[in-house]
Amino acid sequence: QQQVKQSPQSLIVQKGGISIINCAYENTAFDYFPWYQQFPGKGPALLIAIRPDVSEKKEGRFTISFNKSAKQFSLHIMDSQPGDSATYFCAATYPGTYKYIFGTGTRLKVLA
Amino acid sequence: KAGVTQTPRYLIKTRGQQVTLSCSPISGHRSVSWYQQTPGQGLQFLFEYFSETQRNKGNFPGRFSGRQFSNSRSEMNVSTLELGDSALYLCASSLETASTDTQYFGPGTRLTVL
Repeated sequence: QQQVKQSPQSLIVQKGGISIINCAYENTAFDYFPWYQQFPGKGPALLIAIRPDVSEKKEGRFTISFNKSAKQFSLHIMDSQPGDSATYFCAATYPGTYKYIFGTGTRLKVLA
Repeated sequence: KAGVTQTPRYLIKTRGQQVTLSCSPISGHRSVSWYQQTPGQGLQFLFEYFSETQRNKGNFPGRFSGRQFSNSRSEMNVSTLELGDSALYLCASSLETASTDTQYFGPGTRLTVL
């Protein structure tokens, strides 16, 4: 079973702070790395994604940093808001397939 | 455009029974994937269907099966239910074949096995 290891399991951040979630993968064949956000009672929703030929991708307050040599990638949430409180999942997938391998999730709580 | 819909939203069954879950993808989407989500194991890939054919399969026993119809709607069946099958079952749809096409998830079906 190919794994994607995610940390931390839970995270508490003050409003306005930076939330950082890390993931590490094993299989160098993975070619797509999305991050999903899930609110209680809802299905996961795509937040941002990156390909391994790019070291960083930014969309609004969300940034993915990708380190191909270390086989690690991370999600940074700048200026964290209470509305960002959710569970975040990293994932990885192989070329031409939707067989996503998900991390175990990080429960983020942003304090007002 | 309507999102991915899953029915039923909640289901209670007893051990040994079987269950069928339904997923209607976003209009025009041809790929449908199924995932099992549990607190202990997280999100695990069950299988993916494209144009009525199973294209990828995860590491689940044969009790878990699925199918896709010509209108891209998909069903998932679990036979001989076990307590450990209690989970949120998520369906996701996407437009085409590239892994970079966004997968859109439905709200899930919460299955409880007693």
